[in-house]
Amino acid sequence: DAKTTQPNSMESNEEEPVHLPCNHSTISGTDYIHWYRQLPSQGPEYVIHGLTSNVNNRMASLAIAEDRKSSTLILHRATLRDAAVYYCILREGLTGANNLFFGTGTRLTVIP
Amino acid sequence: KAGVTQTPRYLIKTRGQQVTLSCSPISGHRSVSWYQQTPGQGLQFLFEYFSETQRNKGNFPGRFSGRQFSNSRSEMNVSTLELGDSALYLCASSLGGRTPTYGYTFGSGTRLTVV
Repeated sequence: DAKTTQPNSMESNEEEPVHLPCNHSTISGTDYIHWYRQLPSQGPEYVIHGLTSNVNNRMASLAIAEDRKSSTLILHRATLRDAAVYYCILREGLTGANNLFFGTGTRLTVIP
Repeated sequence: KAGVTQTPRYLIKTRGQQVTLSCSPISGHRSVSWYQQTPGQGLQFLFEYFSETQRNKGNFPGRFSGRQFSNSRSEMNVSTLELGDSALYLCASSLGGRTPTYGYTFGSGTRLTVV
């Protein structure tokens, strides 16, 4: 599995934007970039995914570097409910391998 | 629509016993995956079932097994329990297509404690 590297932890003030970085220098051309988050005492929750172009949905935006070796998850206005561990995951797009390799993720703390 | 349902939520078992955990996926989802989460190892993939067939398997011993029924509900079984099997077991469902253009929906998990 291609690996990702994320900071262990980040802090943000409530109602400010948060940029969560992810490095994936060994990404292949067919790997999709997925983000999940896990709130305390809950299972992981799908956030967003992309292949080459930047993506937006109701939860967040995903900015993908032109060389695809890094990406950034953007929460436009952090709320206390966004405090969670955020995982950046590469999903292979050719063979259909459907296992998620979670890594250690980034623990986001939102300060009121 | 109903989410992914895992039962039971909590379980306490003794070393050497076996345990069966259940997962009901979202209606229409044909793929069910299982994960183990521990403080030391994080989230690790156990196996995935699609249309009653195991399609993918993680690096766990043969004591961990699973199956899927025709209604897509899935069970996982752990035999000869060890203390190290204490963990949160998570089930995730998805449509199951080969191209990863969809997300997984996870249940809240079953917390297994082995004493």
